[in-house]
Amino acid sequence: QKEVEQNSGPLSVPEGAIASLNCTYSDRGSQSFFWYRQYSGKSPELIMFIYSNGDKEDGRFTAQLNKASQYVSLLIRDSQPSDSATYLCAGRPYNTDKLIFGTGTRLQVFP
Amino acid sequence: SQTIHQWPATLVQPVGSPLSLECTVEGTSNPNLYWYRQAAGRGLQLLFYSVGIGQISSEVPQNLSASRPQDRQFILSSKKLLLSDSGFYLCAWTFQLVFNEQFFGPGTRLTVL
Repeated sequence: QKEVEQNSGPLSVPEGAIASLNCTYSDRGSQSFFWYRQYSGKSPELIMFIYSNGDKEDGRFTAQLNKASQYVSLLIRDSQPSDSATYLCAGRPYNTDKLIFGTGTRLQVFP
Repeated sequence: SQTIHQWPATLVQPVGSPLSLECTVEGTSNPNLYWYRQAAGRGLQLLFYSVGIGQISSEVPQNLSASRPQDRQFILSSKKLLLSDSGFYLCAWTFQLVFNEQFFGPGTRLTVL
């Protein structure tokens, strides 16, 4: 069974610090990975996606993918209280049009 | 630009009553469409997805059904709701030919009493 796993948290970081969110996946054939942010009571919104090994940067966010270790991470630099939310990791298995979601990590950024 | 709508935003229904949730997408043609459910404190569970009019794939057997009567319309239904059907229902879409991002609608919060 294809799975995406995340630590549920909460992960607490002080304002201005780097928040590191991690995700592992079981399907070695998964092609691409997505990070979503979900505020309480709201729908998920896409932060970024990555499909190549290495780093991909977008503003304060950096996604990292290591296919050999089946590991995906999201770094948030200069964390702000407004970044406090649940972060969902999702992987797209090979040759499908579906995403497999992790259960999410709750991030708390305190002033 | 593309937008996705869901209604109603919230719904409170008694056990045993029927259900109809609607999702529509604007600004694109022939999208893939998805229904998810998120129970309180849980992850996203894919319920149904569709690659075209009348084409529905069911991911989880249950008392829910889905239909796609038009290209950009996706409907989730039930004949008789159960308490366990409570949750946050999310519709999502992707471009069919180039799967990159999956975009979510605002969701419907369903409470079954």
